[in-house]
Amino acid sequence: SQTIHQWPATLVQPVGSPLSLECTVEGTSNPNLYWYRQAAGRGLQLLFYSVGIGQISSEVPQNLSASRPQDRQFILSSKKLLLSDSGFYLCAWSVTDWETEAFFGQGTRLTVV
Amino acid sequence: GDSVTQMEGPVTLSEEAFLTINCTYTATGYPSLFWYVQYPGEGLQLLLKATKADDKGSNKGFEATYRKETTSFHLEKGSVQVSDSAVYFCALEHRGSTLGRLYFGRGTQLTVWP
Repeated sequence: SQTIHQWPATLVQPVGSPLSLECTVEGTSNPNLYWYRQAAGRGLQLLFYSVGIGQISSEVPQNLSASRPQDRQFILSSKKLLLSDSGFYLCAWSVTDWETEAFFGQGTRLTVV
Repeated sequence: GDSVTQMEGPVTLSEEAFLTINCTYTATGYPSLFWYVQYPGEGLQLLLKATKADDKGSNKGFEATYRKETTSFHLEKGSVQVSDSAVYFCALEHRGSTLGRLYFGRGTQLTVWP
């Protein structure tokens, strides 16, 4: 069966420090991969999605970047965190098709102080 | 652009009460509609979905009907249980160029008391 792993679960980082959140998927090949963020009081916002290795599309301009070095690995990064980067980050995957559900990781609660 | 407006929470109910969580959407074309649920300490998981107008999605006693005329997808359950306590997210799938792009509402926290 397919599983998705996301870590860490919680993270407290100072302003200006770097960030690296990792997500890996098991049990499937060539998935679509997504990074979502939920800021306080807002819905889940799509940050990045990837349809293949090295293929990253950004939905909104921001202080973050994403990379997909392997088929089932998706990394969210920042060189210098801002206070506004605080939020709940979720990795998800789906099969390459319409009308299919997305499968989510447990999420990472990031607090920038 | 596409968007989802979801009933503000939190919602607090007694066990066996009737539940409605409202969800309306704005979209071009005919999106697919979803309800996701997040139980405490877990990731989001699909609860139900509907892919075209008048479809009814159902799962675990929950139901939602895709209403194109009112652009709504309200979640209902006739008799809630304590185990239904969770955060519920309404979402739509954009039918544009971004494969699988989901637009989420803010989420509604449901607490059910015994």
